[in-house]
Amino acid sequence: TQLLEQSPQFLSIQEGENLTVYCNSSSVFSSLQWYRQEPGEGPVLLVTVVTGGEVKKLKRLTFQFGDARKDSSLHITAAQPGDTGLYLCAGYNNDMRFGAGTRLTVKP
Amino acid sequence: SQTIHQWPATLVQPVGSPLSLECTVEGTSNPNLYWYRQAAGRGLQLLFYSVGIGQISSEVPQNLSASRPQDRQFILSSKKLLLSDSGFYLCAWSVRENQPQHFGDGTRLSIL
Repeated sequence: TQLLEQSPQFLSIQEGENLTVYCNSSSVFSSLQWYRQEPGEGPVLLVTVVTGGEVKKLKRLTFQFGDARKDSSLHITAAQPGDTGLYLCAGYNNDMRFGAGTRLTVKP
Repeated sequence: SQTIHQWPATLVQPVGSPLSLECTVEGTSNPNLYWYRQAAGRGLQLLFYSVGIGQISSEVPQNLSASRPQDRQFILSSKKLLLSDSGFYLCAWSVRENQPQHFGDGTRLSIL
C-alpha cells in the first residue's frame, strides 16, 4: 500500500504571505489530485495532474507534479483568510489513496 | 451536472442502536461509489466501495456494512453501533476508479 505523506501537518500564516505545502510518496502515480476541505463539509476537488513536471495554475494557487510522478506541491501566493482549510492530496496507483492533509490557517 | 446528496448532516445515536446513512448521486450513470470515515488529523479511511448494483467491496472489517440497492444509491448501515463508530462519514463518486472522486457534505455521527 503506497503512502502519501503531506507536510507540514499544520501551517498558520498571516494574510498576504506565500506558502508551499507538499505531498510525497515512494510510489509512482498515474494521476494526483488536490482537494480543499472546510470544517463540516466534504473535500472539494481543486485540480488533477497527470503528466510528470506538469504545472497548473488556479488563480493564486500553483500546483506542480514531480518529474517522476511521485510527489507534488501546492504553492499559494498572497494567502487570504478564505484559503483557510484542510488541503488533501490523493494519488492513483491501482487504487486511490489520500494523504492526511495539511491544515492551513490564514490570519487576517 | 452531477450532484451528490448525503444525509443526515448530523446524527446522535445511543450505543447499540442501528444506523442507516444514505447517499445518492444525480446526473451520471453507473458511477463508482465510496464510503469513507474521516478522523481528525488522520485523513480519509476507505470503508467500502462499489462498482455496480449489488457489488460491494469492504476495505476494513468492522461493525459496518454497505449496500447498493440502486445504481445511484449507496447506504451505510450498522445493526448495533459502538462508541468507536463516532466520526465524520463521507460518501463520494467517480466515473471510474482512476478518476477524481467527488464528495458529499458528510455526516457527523456521534455515539453516546
